[in-house]
Amino acid sequence: DAKTTQPPSMDCAEGRAANLPCNHSTISGNEYVYWYRQIHSQGPQYIIHGLKNNETNEMASLIITEDRKSSTLILPHATLRDTAVYYCIVRVQMYSGGGADGLTFGKGTHLIIQP
Amino acid sequence: EAQVTQNPRYLITVTGKKLTVTCSQNMNHEYMSWYRQDPGLGLRQIYYSMNVEVTDKGDVPEGYKVSRKEKRNFPLILESPSPNQTSLYFCASTLRAGGPYEQYFGPGTRLTVT
Repeated sequence: DAKTTQPPSMDCAEGRAANLPCNHSTISGNEYVYWYRQIHSQGPQYIIHGLKNNETNEMASLIITEDRKSSTLILPHATLRDTAVYYCIVRVQMYSGGGADGLTFGKGTHLIIQP
Repeated sequence: EAQVTQNPRYLITVTGKKLTVTCSQNMNHEYMSWYRQDPGLGLRQIYYSMNVEVTDKGDVPEGYKVSRKEKRNFPLILESPSPNQTSLYFCASTLRAGGPYEQYFGPGTRLTVT
């Protein structure tokens, strides 16, 4: 799976949009971009994923650049409860038959929402 | 409500005393796995199961055992716990391996081995 680079921490004011960047310059054509978050020692929570097109769900939007080398997770109206570590993960779509299929979590971005 | 449950949530034990952490999911998922999380090391996969009676080692399997006799349950067994197994443990499940599916994580079990 491709390696990702994220800033270690970010601040955002409550009510504003939080934009979390992720660099994945070595991504290959069959790899999806996933975002998870972990709120203080709770189980990681899935947010969104995409392949090429931008995606939106009730939690967030995912913007993937045309060359797919980077992406941005957008939380449109951040609240204090969005304070968490956000993980950008890139992984292949289809099971190859030889891997554990586990998610590789890096260090993520610690997003702090300020009141 | 779709969920993954783990028990116990907190456990303090002594070296060598066998213990089991249970994991159960109610989503009829084929794939289940166990992770441990340690400061500075992130989440690492211990064992995984593709389906009933099919299990395999992840990245850090030493000192652990698992079984998958039923689709919904995937217990983690520490036959002889040691202090280096003190960690935060998460069980996870997903529909099946390899697809673009989200993984659901349990709330975590904080284990301390003295």
